[in-house]
Amino acid sequence: KQEVTQIPAALSVPEGENLVLNCSFTDSAIYNLQWFRQDPGKGLTSLLLIQSSQREQTSGRLNASLDKSSGRSTLYIAASQPGDSATYLCAVGAGFQKLVFGTGTRLLVSP
Amino acid sequence: SAVISQKPSRDICQRGTSLTIQCQVDSQVTMMFWYRQQPGQSLTLIATANQGSEATYESGFVIDKFPISRPNLTFSTLTVSNMSPEDSSIYLCSWGQGEKLFFGSGTQLSVL
Repeated sequence: KQEVTQIPAALSVPEGENLVLNCSFTDSAIYNLQWFRQDPGKGLTSLLLIQSSQREQTSGRLNASLDKSSGRSTLYIAASQPGDSATYLCAVGAGFQKLVFGTGTRLLVSP
Repeated sequence: SAVISQKPSRDICQRGTSLTIQCQVDSQVTMMFWYRQQPGQSLTLIATANQGSEATYESGFVIDKFPISRPNLTFSTLTVSNMSPEDSSIYLCSWGQGEKLFFGSGTQLSVL
């Protein structure tokens, strides 16, 4: 059974810092990996999707990497802003449109 | 991508009652998904809803407790039946485009 873990559970940084969020999964036979952002009491916003054959994806200040062999993904956020404050979830694709979610990292960026 | 409208956005309900959550997409989608997010936890898939057939439920979820309707390709409902405080969660509908999943804004349910 696929298990997805995210470290740290919570992170607080001053504005402007670069930061890395970590995601690990137990079964390397994944379909894809997706990073989401969740604002308090809200749904999820898709940030990046990495196919199993890819090693990274970039969107603006966000860069996500994937290392299937070690069961890891990282989400790098450059020059963090207070508006980046949210919970970040990684989700491993266990099949087409079938995701197993991690526990999330709650990020707070202070002005 | 299609836009999802989910309602209600939040509700406070009494024990033993039922609540129906609606999800409307502005384009036709084949599969829709319902997730639950218990306080402090990550998302757990409840069921997959295809138009014209019965929903497929994940282990630990049953139709009597979480009946789902999917009358057409743009609409689905999830009912939380005979509620107890343990049902207090955020419920989210979702749909896929290619390999990406998109989510509604969620329904925050509190059961007293």
